[in-house]
Amino acid sequence: GESVGLHLPTLSVQEGDNSIINCAYSNSASDYFIWYKQESGKGPQFIIDIRSNMDKRQGQRVTVLLNKTVKHLSLQIAATQPGDSAVYFCAENHLFNNDMRFGAGTRLTVKP
Amino acid sequence: DAGITQSPRYKITETGRQVTLMCHQTWSHSYMFWYRQDLGHGLRLIYYSAAADITDKGEVPDGYVVSRSKTENFPLTLESATRSQTSVYFCASSWNTGELFFGEGSRLTVL
Repeated sequence: GESVGLHLPTLSVQEGDNSIINCAYSNSASDYFIWYKQESGKGPQFIIDIRSNMDKRQGQRVTVLLNKTVKHLSLQIAATQPGDSAVYFCAENHLFNNDMRFGAGTRLTVKP
Repeated sequence: DAGITQSPRYKITETGRQVTLMCHQTWSHSYMFWYRQDLGHGLRLIYYSAAADITDKGEVPDGYVVSRSKTENFPLTLESATRSQTSVYFCASSWNTGELFFGEGSRLTVL
């Protein structure tokens, strides 16, 4: 079936290094993608989004890349900090649909 | 403070009991959502609402009931709780089909 998933369930990086979190999706009709960050005991928080008519979008220390050819989404975090330790979810939204689907999440751990 | 609030934050109940989780938002967002979060499944949509008096099923609606008589409130009711409904429940709201704003979650344990 169609789904949103993540390549790696956990990722550990050294403070100051760059982090890359990957996500695969299978529904080519999806036109909107979001990355969320969830800290322990809290609800997910929006990080950055991208529409299917773009292949790259940058925010503060974060970049999202979208490769529609291989249905792949990635989140890059520059100069990763201890405060970036959290679970990161990608989510996709289907065109004309309110059913936002989430991946299982990747736990990012930043080592000091 | 403005935002989205859920209550209760923690609830323990017994199988067969009715439980209602409350969600209140102060942004006047049109859309509201209920998700459940379980290990290995990520976030799964239970129900959503596009406006007052309009609700639709999501991916896992069985065993749940929602209502939306007012724009700001979107309660989720488990009419007869089962152990498989032990989970963390998140309410969210949004202006449209874009970014979701999540509450802090309600952790429900069904014994």
